[in-house]
Amino acid sequence: TQLLEQSPQFLSIQEGENLTVYCNSSSVFSSLQWYRQEPGEGPVLLVTVVTGGEVKKLKRLTFQFGDARKDSSLHITAAQPGDTGLYLCAGRLYYGGSQGNLIFGKGTKLSVKP
Amino acid sequence: NAGVTQTPKFQVLKTGQSMTLQCAQDMNHEYMSWYRQDPGMGLRLIHYSVGAGITDQGEVPNGYNVSRSTTEDFPLRLLSAAPSQTSVYFCASSYSMDMGVHTFGSGTRLTVV
Repeated sequence: TQLLEQSPQFLSIQEGENLTVYCNSSSVFSSLQWYRQEPGEGPVLLVTVVTGGEVKKLKRLTFQFGDARKDSSLHITAAQPGDTGLYLCAGRLYYGGSQGNLIFGKGTKLSVKP
Repeated sequence: NAGVTQTPKFQVLKTGQSMTLQCAQDMNHEYMSWYRQDPGMGLRLIHYSVGAGITDQGEVPNGYNVSRSTTEDFPLRLLSAAPSQTSVYFCASSYSMDMGVHTFGSGTRLTVV
């Protein structure tokens, strides 16, 4: 059973379009992160969200943590070819005050065509 | 440059061979971990360490050993390589287990034939 479900798995869009990637779970997370990974490289952290309902913006990227801390979304406005990559969400499970290791979703592979 | 350094970048092993994947960080991070990444499976935690002398198992520890004799180094040993261990391996570090910021190495692509 995958604790963190990402959707869609693949996304191919034209430059200038908007898109949203989702990360869902039935479990509560104390924090959730989004990473971007390029071929042949390790994941690079984009953002960490820790408060239910929190919204963070990073230029054209908007990240939201669900009110119940069970889900998150990544929205990209006016996508550019440089946004192409594998987007991974990762969360730390909440164990009533303590935190577990980082758990990763399977990723969303984004391709932005010029 | 500060960061996580993994060696080698690529490796081909025969079934039954053993080898050690090296991981070193120069950021004085206490928490280090090893992940494997397989197509359609995402990143799965193999082993982790919360400090020198302390290691623990992750989600998929079978067939792998680790040790943490210094803060800087966290090698991953494959005892007897199997084709199922063909994967890309990533080492990561952060200040503590509770900290969200994980710095990843660039990975080791391992093929077991």
